[in-house]
Amino acid sequence: GNSVTQMEGPVTLSEEAFLTINCTYTATGYPSLFWYVQYPGEGLQLLLKATKADDKGSNKGFEATYRKETTSFHLEKGSVQVSDSAVYFCALSDHGSGNTGKLIFGQGTTLQVKP
Amino acid sequence: DGGITQSPKYLFRKEGQNVTLSCEQNLNHDAMYWYRQDPGQGLRLIYYSQIVNDFQKGDIAEGYSVSREKKESFPLTVTSAQKNPTAFYLCASSIWGSDNYYGYTFGSGTRLTVV
Repeated sequence: GNSVTQMEGPVTLSEEAFLTINCTYTATGYPSLFWYVQYPGEGLQLLLKATKADDKGSNKGFEATYRKETTSFHLEKGSVQVSDSAVYFCALSDHGSGNTGKLIFGQGTTLQVKP
Repeated sequence: DGGITQSPKYLFRKEGQNVTLSCEQNLNHDAMYWYRQDPGQGLRLIYYSQIVNDFQKGDIAEGYSVSREKKESFPLTVTSAQKNPTAFYLCASSIWGSDNYYGYTFGSGTRLTVV
């Protein structure tokens, strides 16, 4: 079945460091891909998305490119801030078995940015 | 502004007691979802509903019940049969269709604690 695998955390960086959080997926068809962010004690917020191969989603300095050949959607940011400390979830839309619309989430990766 | 509202933010349950968590959306979304999140863990799907008066079990439905009498509302009842209900509960909604470009909108969550 469809699935999403994220790198395990926590990821600890110093302010202004470069961030990469790896996400790979297994899916039939052509799913849409998403990154969500969860700040402590809150719900998830959509960070960015991509709907087809080679699309690049971007928002608030974060970027991710939909790579069908490597089945990946890695999240990157050139210079992280303390305020980026949160849990990041990769997700794909489940087009299998007629379950259109339901998202499948990875386990989440905790990012800690130190001043 | 459109959004999704969960209440209460904090809820305390005594042993053997049923409690109901509220989720209301004014986004005119077709589908609604309930997830459970344990500390340091990912999201686990409890129930979801594509249309009014219809819902399906997710991965961990035992000990929970839902109803979908109105498009805007999808309350979750945690019954006494759920032996370990202490967790953070997240409600979400989405447009249901063959190409889910839009992902989910999440509420801010309800933290349930057994006392």
